[in-house]
Amino acid sequence: QVQLQESGPGLVKPSQTLSLTCTVSGGSISSGDYYWTWIRQHPGKGLEWIGYVYYRGNTYYNPSLKSRLTISVDTSNNQFSLRLSSVTAADTAVYYCARVYINSLQTIDYWGQGTLVTVSS
Amino acid sequence: DIQMTQSPSSLSASVGDRVTITCRASQSISSYLNWYQQKPGKAPKLLIYAASSLQSGVPSRFSGSGSGTDLTLTISSLQPEDFATYYCHQSFSNPHTFGQGTKLEIK
Repeated sequence: QVQLQESGPGLVKPSQTLSLTCTVSGGSISSGDYYWTWIRQHPGKGLEWIGYVYYRGNTYYNPSLKSRLTISVDTSNNQFSLRLSSVTAADTAVYYCARVYINSLQTIDYWGQGTLVTVSS
Repeated sequence: DIQMTQSPSSLSASVGDRVTITCRASQSISSYLNWYQQKPGKAPKLLIYAASSLQSGVPSRFSGSGSGTDLTLTISSLQPEDFATYYCHQSFSNPHTFGQGTKLEIK
């Protein structure tokens, strides 16, 4: 059974960089069948697609965040990471890491439990 | 970006009712549509993928239909555990986008 687990600081100061890591267990991040993605949910709101990374390092970023965003993959540790720079209160959200199954019309089939990141001084 | 408009945004229903939630895309998305259920404090859970395929382990009372711009999720007979928020998700083009959610509440 595949499991994803987010980790990182729960509190970030404005203008600093938000950094999260997702550790994948029960499956290899190096499988060519998946994208590894980040999604966020503002408090009480809907879901926002942040971007994804492929095991080879190819990435796609949501244009709304692209200038501040870096998503990377570490195949040796079966992890992928998110860095979002110059954060403001508008970046306060629950951040989910998830797996996208490419061969199933890009379905998100597994999600992490989510981690709340608050941007505040 | 493809805009996904879900309706209704909230719905009150009783156990045993049949309910339908609709997602309308701003352009054709073929069958690149997935449905998720989210309960408070939990991650979304996949119910239906590729518009009409039931995810393994999901009860058969859940079904999806449609293609193109109008797609639906139907719950044939509501159970107490079905009261939650439901989201559609288009994976036809980047960036993927989600509907705003439908909150299903007990009448």
